[in-house]
Amino acid sequence: NAGVTQTPKFRILKIGQSMTLQCTQDMNHNYMYWYRQDPGMGLKLIYYSVGAGITDKGEVPNGYNVSRSTTEDFPLRLELAAPSQTSVYFCASSPGTINGYTFGSGTRLTVV
Amino acid sequence: AQSVTQPDIHITVSEGASLELRCNYSYGATPYLFWYVQSPGQGLQLLLKYFSGDTLVQGIKGFEAEFKRSQSSFNLRKPSVHWSDAAEYFCAYIDSGYALNFGKGTSLLVTP
Repeated sequence: NAGVTQTPKFRILKIGQSMTLQCTQDMNHNYMYWYRQDPGMGLKLIYYSVGAGITDKGEVPNGYNVSRSTTEDFPLRLELAAPSQTSVYFCASSPGTINGYTFGSGTRLTVV
Repeated sequence: AQSVTQPDIHITVSEGASLELRCNYSYGATPYLFWYVQSPGQGLQLLLKYFSGDTLVQGIKGFEAEFKRSQSSFNLRKPSVHWSDAAEYFCAYIDSGYALNFGKGTSLLVTP
């Protein structure tokens, strides 16, 4: 059982480039989430999804987009990378709102 | 606004000593409260959660937490710390929304 898989693990982007962070879960969880983690700031919610075809903004959605075409996949898109998007990104899933989350191992992104 | 506060950014304890990590919440009703742990370079792992009922909850790895409404606290405790407990610890809550909201974290250092 793989749980939540994130790819890539590391990436360096130039300002203005775009990329997609991949997230896949094999637990048939309806709920999926994207967080970013910055030193000393905890985790901030970017986007979340309560099921295939349904997404909503979190606390810090600017500069990001998501889609949820299947239960398993929840990719995060950065269209015009900026240095402020340098961060560690975590994807998570859960079977319900009050259940514990299963986190991926993260993607460390640097924008230069 | 609802929130959780972790007053201690860094905590250092000796191996074998007891541990208490503080978490204060600000919320009108009883929130759903969680503690997560993040080992270096890893994703987050759920230690325990509190919804209602018994105010002392047991978690994994020998951790426990006590919900105290009168003090608006949900402190994490462990009677004897092991070197492998060195990590970042996050208190989190779910209010009326769909996603976890995290505190800024407490970094635990364990000395020999």
